[in-house]
Amino acid sequence: NAGVMQNPRHLVRRRGQEARLRCSPMKGHSHVYWYRQLPEEGLKFMVYLQKENIIDESGMPKERFSAEFPKEGPSILRIQQVVRGDSAAYFCASSPELGETQYFGPGTRLLVL
Amino acid sequence: AQTVTQSQPEMSVQEAETVTLSCTYDTSESNYYLFWYKQPPSRQMILVIRQEAYKQQNATENRFSVNFQKAAKSFSLKISDSQLGDTAMYFCAFMSLLSGGYNKLIFGAGTRLAVHP
Repeated sequence: NAGVMQNPRHLVRRRGQEARLRCSPMKGHSHVYWYRQLPEEGLKFMVYLQKENIIDESGMPKERFSAEFPKEGPSILRIQQVVRGDSAAYFCASSPELGETQYFGPGTRLLVL
Repeated sequence: AQTVTQSQPEMSVQEAETVTLSCTYDTSESNYYLFWYKQPPSRQMILVIRQEAYKQQNATENRFSVNFQKAAKSFSLKISDSQLGDTAMYFCAFMSLLSGGYNKLIFGAGTRLAVHP
């Protein structure tokens, strides 16, 4: 059973460009969470999605950030017009049901030049 | 709002010895989960151990065990027979089971553990 997959593992963007981060949950998992880890800090919750629905986006910045989890395909975290402060590691986690342990992907390291 | 505090930014231990990492949390809820995750230099987040708040028995996983003190809101991780591969950042995390909490994890700032030969 493959784990949570994230790609790309590393992403370099110039200021003003768009970043698209992908997450494929573990097989049988329909709950997806995105977290951000700034340098030398712990992980911070961003958004929680189920298939085709955003359930909780209380941790998402109000501007430039969006997330989706379509019926088919991976979950996408999209950052428009990136700025240097967006440089961080972005982790995706999935769980089979609410209240179950979340398993993490390897993360995407975003560097904004 | 819940908070998680890890008061030890860095710890070190000799190989084969035992080390304890501290974690305290603040919540008004009675039912929740607590976790320890490990982040080695590869930056992958790896689940170490899980504790359900309703269980009085402390969770154990091989060399890893916890000391869960619900009244004191304390959740420490003990690593026995430390190995070089245990070198990593360790994060304590809280998960609310309230329906509106959606089980998002709240992490502490982490403790960097170095195991020396």
